[in-house]
Amino acid sequence: EVQLVESGGNLVQPGRSLRLSCAASGFIFDDYGIHWVRQAPGKGLEWVSGIGWNSGNVAYADSVKGRFTISRDNAKNSVYLQMNSLRVEDMAFYYCTKARDSVGYSGFDGWGRGTLVTVSS
Amino acid sequence: QSVLTQPPSVSGAPGQRVTISCTGSSSNIGTGYDVFWYQQLPGTAPKLLSYGNFNRPSGVPDRFRGSKSGTSASLAITELQAEDEADYYCQTYDSSLSGWVFGGGTKLTVL
Repeated sequence: EVQLVESGGNLVQPGRSLRLSCAASGFIFDDYGIHWVRQAPGKGLEWVSGIGWNSGNVAYADSVKGRFTISRDNAKNSVYLQMNSLRVEDMAFYYCTKARDSVGYSGFDGWGRGTLVTVSS
Repeated sequence: QSVLTQPPSVSGAPGQRVTISCTGSSSNIGTGYDVFWYQQLPGTAPKLLSYGNFNRPSGVPDRFRGSKSGTSASLAITELQAEDEADYYCQTYDSSLSGWVFGGGTKLTVL
């Protein structure tokens, strides 16, 4: 069974940094792309960033480009999202999601429960 | 404003059929990228409902049927049940943005 467990969400002041982690199990981790999708309370889904199976095909939404960095460690079955210069509008639940292929062009078929990032002074 | 446009809400009575539309453009759905549909029940993570425009993961009832034509896609739900009440999102890849995009979401109410 595919399992994705996010951690690292917290209350942080605007301008500060936070690092999210996603621990995966139940599938051959280094065969698949992994993405982060966020959802502000009461709002819709927003794709944030994705990384391919071999750490290639890295992509970011315009709203986070230059501030967020995605990375993965296939030896640890983990993906990370380093979030710098956080803004109030970054406040959301952050979901880690598994792509159906090595990059993400075939949809996302596994989702974690999410971790909450609160940005407030 | 989402790149993919969905109606904010749809509704139907049990047993009826509803359709949720997803309108894109020539840089996403119209380019030929597959469209995916997700169901999000209240308080839970999204779940993949449809992939490759019209395929369903195992365990998803055949009451859920995706389709695509030109720059638009749609999700039809037949034999509506109370448990179908949820938010539904379409998603694809956009070549102009070089990234993935979601529709704004549609709230389905079962009357």
